[in-house]
Amino acid sequence: AQSVTQLGSHVSVSEGALVLLRCNYSSSVPPYLFWYVQYPNQGLQLLLKYTSAATLVKGINGFEAEFKKSETSFHLTKPSAHMSDAAEYFCAVSPQSWGKLQFGAGTQVVVTP
Amino acid sequence: SQTIHQWPATLVQPVGSPLSLECTVEGTSNPNLYWYRQAAGRGLQLLFYSVGIGQISSEVPQNLSASRPQDRQFILSSKKLLLSDSGFYLCAWSVRSGRGGPNSYNEQFFGPGTRLTVL
Repeated sequence: AQSVTQLGSHVSVSEGALVLLRCNYSSSVPPYLFWYVQYPNQGLQLLLKYTSAATLVKGINGFEAEFKKSETSFHLTKPSAHMSDAAEYFCAVSPQSWGKLQFGAGTQVVVTP
Repeated sequence: SQTIHQWPATLVQPVGSPLSLECTVEGTSNPNLYWYRQAAGRGLQLLFYSVGIGQISSEVPQNLSASRPQDRQFILSSKKLLLSDSGFYLCAWSVRSGRGGPNSYNEQFFGPGTRLTVL
């Protein structure tokens, strides 16, 4: 079984500052890991995914995430926040064999001028 | 390329009325299909998933049901809506297990969602 914990349901960041969203997972088998973004009243869009090819994964819109097996973490970062980054972000985990995605509770990001 | 459609985009229904939400996928065959609900201030809750026509798995007991009459069509229904059925309903698809080759990582692709308000 796998599960995901996202630390912090709300994060406020200044425009131009570092964005850091935390995600820790538990999985009994090697996982695939994902970050999704959801803008208001829209579906979820895949930001990036970890599939065991490389521990540092680069995604769209300048986001990246690093898989750290020893810490069971997959934190999402962006060096400089933009107003358009205001959205809700979801971390998700899946076993490498077929399985449903397990989503975290989500983190709402607010970007202030 | 693959696309996923949901309709209607918004819906306001009285308590006790029936419900039918539709999801269709284009550009792929034999997908896995999913229905999620987001209630206000809550995360994603998986309601149903389907690995093939007529094959539905329910994740949580509830007032809703799902059907898959065609390979790329997934329908969410209710005979009598409750106030607690209000929320944002999302449909998603993924490549079916074992058929995606080395680039299949169980990632899901989401539709635009349906906002349901039950009054």
